[in-house]
Amino acid sequence: QVTLRESGPALVKPTQTLTLTCTFSGFSLSTSGMCVSWIRQPPGKALEWLALIDWDDDKYYSTSLKTRLTISKDTSKNQVVLTMTNMDPVDTATYYCARIRLVGATRGAFDIWGQGTMVTVSS
Amino acid sequence: DIQMTQSPSSLSASVGDRVTITCQASQDISNYLNWYQQKPGKAPKLLIYDASNLETGVPSRFSGSGSGTDFTFTISSLQPEDIATYYCQQYDNLPTITFGQGTRLEIK
Repeated sequence: QVTLRESGPALVKPTQTLTLTCTFSGFSLSTSGMCVSWIRQPPGKALEWLALIDWDDDKYYSTSLKTRLTISKDTSKNQVVLTMTNMDPVDTATYYCARIRLVGATRGAFDIWGQGTMVTVSS
Repeated sequence: DIQMTQSPSSLSASVGDRVTITCQASQDISNYLNWYQQKPGKAPKLLIYDASNLETGVPSRFSGSGSGTDFTFTISSLQPEDIATYYCQQYDNLPTITFGQGTRLEIK
């Protein structure tokens, strides 16, 4: 069974750096074509793709946020970490991690999601 | 970046109605288009991939069509459990990805 679970602080102050961890099971991020991505959703608003890391440790970022984001992986721990610098109240959102594969039938689709973690940015 | 425009932004329909949502891409994305259902307080769920393929376990009342820039998502007979927000997502220029703005579906 494939699962992903997000963890991190529920509250951060403006200008601080947010660090979120996605812990997954049921698949290996060493498998060719396998990727993990981060997506966020402000309250009552749409989904926004943030970043992706692939099996080969290549990293890709949203054009609008790439100066603030860093994604990394620890394959031995089955974890993917996202850091976002200089947090602002507009970054208040539920942050999801999800699996996406670049090969196979559901290529390009987020087929398995974590339950999400709500992050509030406030002083 | 490729922009995805979904319409309508919200929709009210009766149980048993046929419901249609559209998604338009700012450039040709072939069939690289997926649809998701998100119920309140839950993570999105993949329903349709590659514009028209039903994900395993998804009821057959859901369907998708289209290619190029114009796509359609249909529920053939609306059920009470279909109340949710629906999103399209393009992956033409992987690994960068964009979502539509969502369509909120309510029961009339």
